[in-house]
Amino acid sequence: KAGVTQTPRYLIKTRGQQVTLSCSPISGHRSVSWYQQTPGQGLQFLFEYFSETQRNKGNFPGRFSGRQFSNSRSEMNVSTLELGDSALYLCASSLGDRGGSPLHFGNGTRLTVT
Amino acid sequence: GENVEQHPSTLSVQEGDSAVIKCTYSDSASNYFPWYKQELGKRPQLIIDIRSNVGEKKDQRIAVTLNKTAKHFSLHITETQPEDSAVYFCAAYDGNKLVFGAGTILRVKS
Repeated sequence: KAGVTQTPRYLIKTRGQQVTLSCSPISGHRSVSWYQQTPGQGLQFLFEYFSETQRNKGNFPGRFSGRQFSNSRSEMNVSTLELGDSALYLCASSLGDRGGSPLHFGNGTRLTVT
Repeated sequence: GENVEQHPSTLSVQEGDSAVIKCTYSDSASNYFPWYKQELGKRPQLIIDIRSNVGEKKDQRIAVTLNKTAKHFSLHITETQPEDSAVYFCAAYDGNKLVFGAGTILRVKS
């Protein structure tokens, strides 16, 4: 079974630009969650999508948005990039059970904002 | 919302010794507690998890214990090996999302 695939692996953008990251979940997984990983803040929850609907949202500004398609693939968009957005963005898929189910992470997209 | 605290932030042990990482959580409704291992430059990977109706779970050299009353859970690694060197994250599922601890850098010296 193929794992979670994230593209691109690396991105370099300048302040003010926008960026779109992509995530393909494990086949059969309907939930996709996004996390921001930085050395100082650890793994911070951005949002979760389940069956094309945003089910949960973390404490990030509205510049961070996402969506999920009917095939469960998900995209995350960050507009008006700031230097502080530089981070590793991890996508994780799961069965999405309400009782909690294991997250399977992708390799991440390393975003650098200059 | 849920808050997870993890200690220590760094842990160095000699090969063959045991390592223990502890986490506390704030939301008594949290019911699922996974542990992830992240090697340098790689993705976090699930190594063991436990649900709130279980007090202890073992998988070879790895074990997790859960104390619901005290709201803390711990990861125990026995007979550590150099390949155990990594960052370990605990997490708690609060009914909506997984909230992660800040991570523990484990160094196993050979």
